[in-house]
Amino acid sequence: GAGVSQSPRYKVTKRGQDVTLRCDPISSHATLYWYQQALGQGPEFLTYFNYEAQPDKSGLPSDRFSAERPEGSISTLTIQRTEQRDSAMYRCASSRGTSGATNEKLFFGSGTQLSVL
Amino acid sequence: QKEVEQDPGPLSVPEGAIVSLNCTYSNSAFQYFMWYRQYSRKGPELLMYTYSSGNKEDGRFTAQVDKSSKYISLFIRDSQPSDSATYLCAMRRTALIFGKGTTLSVSS
Repeated sequence: GAGVSQSPRYKVTKRGQDVTLRCDPISSHATLYWYQQALGQGPEFLTYFNYEAQPDKSGLPSDRFSAERPEGSISTLTIQRTEQRDSAMYRCASSRGTSGATNEKLFFGSGTQLSVL
Repeated sequence: QKEVEQDPGPLSVPEGAIVSLNCTYSNSAFQYFMWYRQYSRKGPELLMYTYSSGNKEDGRFTAQVDKSSKYISLFIRDSQPSDSATYLCAMRRTALIFGKGTTLSVSS
């Protein structure tokens, strides 16, 4: 697609429910990142993919968080048993090359604003 | 200690002022240094990137890296109201790691 697309734009859920967020990167972009951004904070790295491989998931806060990119294009981020502290903007970004091309520009989506009540 | 430290501000300056934004980092493995700009309710957008120690200039913007001190800066000359945004430093090991961001407000 023309840009990075994320859905839903807003998600309100009750504590304890599972949520799945979706990211559709720019077509042909090899690398896809997930970030969590709290209000007034910079994006916090969660995980990234090179195509379908997931070399680094060190930023995932707990085992309640998981991400997939099974066919190397669309990715999902799932949060199980949501907690109020999970409330944040979740941003997806993609870049053309693999992470070895280390000056690659990231293109960010508009994000999914998650609110856990 | 976080890998990347950035003073969140806010920073308020009059139009035409020179602005200095700074970040420090602790991991000497960082190789590429970037500045992203984020307008309210938008995703971050790349402003500049540098690799080596020294200065890189692009119009009114100058990025400076001092690897020996683990310190990077972004200077904005002749600041404009349209520069009002949050400025995020970012550094790459494998993934891109961001600072907290400094919120800048330029008043006309």
